[in-house]
Amino acid sequence: SQKIEQNSEALNIQEGKTATLTCNYTNYSPAYLQWYRQDPGRGPVFLLLIRENEKEKRKERLKVTFDTTLKQSLFHITASQPADSATYLCAPLNNAGNMLTFGGGTRLMVKP
Amino acid sequence: DSGVTQTPKHLITATGQRVTLRCSPRSGDLSVYWYQQSLDQGLQFLIQYYNGEERAKGNILERFSAQQFPDLHSELNLSSLELGDSALYFCASSTGTGPNQPQHFGDGTRLSIL
Repeated sequence: SQKIEQNSEALNIQEGKTATLTCNYTNYSPAYLQWYRQDPGRGPVFLLLIRENEKEKRKERLKVTFDTTLKQSLFHITASQPADSATYLCAPLNNAGNMLTFGGGTRLMVKP
Repeated sequence: DSGVTQTPKHLITATGQRVTLRCSPRSGDLSVYWYQQSLDQGLQFLIQYYNGEERAKGNILERFSAQQFPDLHSELNLSSLELGDSALYFCASSTGTGPNQPQHFGDGTRLSIL
């Protein structure tokens, strides 16, 4: 069956460091992968989308990589700030539709 | 502000009851999605509508139903409520149906079953 795995344990890092979050998937052949941020009690907020033929995508301090051979996406936040503390969710998608199937999310805590 | 409005924000009711959750999508968006988020199941896709028609179905129980109206707002109806239905219910919208389109989420309705 299809599976999306993100680190269930919280990631604690110091302000100013780079945070790296992992999304691994099995039994999927996604054409796209989306990343969202969710704050407690709020809806997810779209951050970045990467296509299967793109190795890397950047937006300000955010960078996403997509390795279809390893079946993995990495999400990086450089120069992290306490305001980046949130849960980050990945969602791989194929070409058949756009209903999102999310991983369990990784909680990031950035300490000042 | 995502532009997606969900009402009510909180709902407390008893087992066996029926409730209706409402969603107004972002202006111009034709697709509406419903998701359920509980502590043990994470964020789960329930159902999608596009321009009034059902487009895709996920793990939606038979006790649950939804519709999208001509003005594009959507309602999720939950009936014969059970304790396990307690969760956050999110609505999201997008312009179309392609996998390259981001979804914009509301802040959810928190449903508590007593």
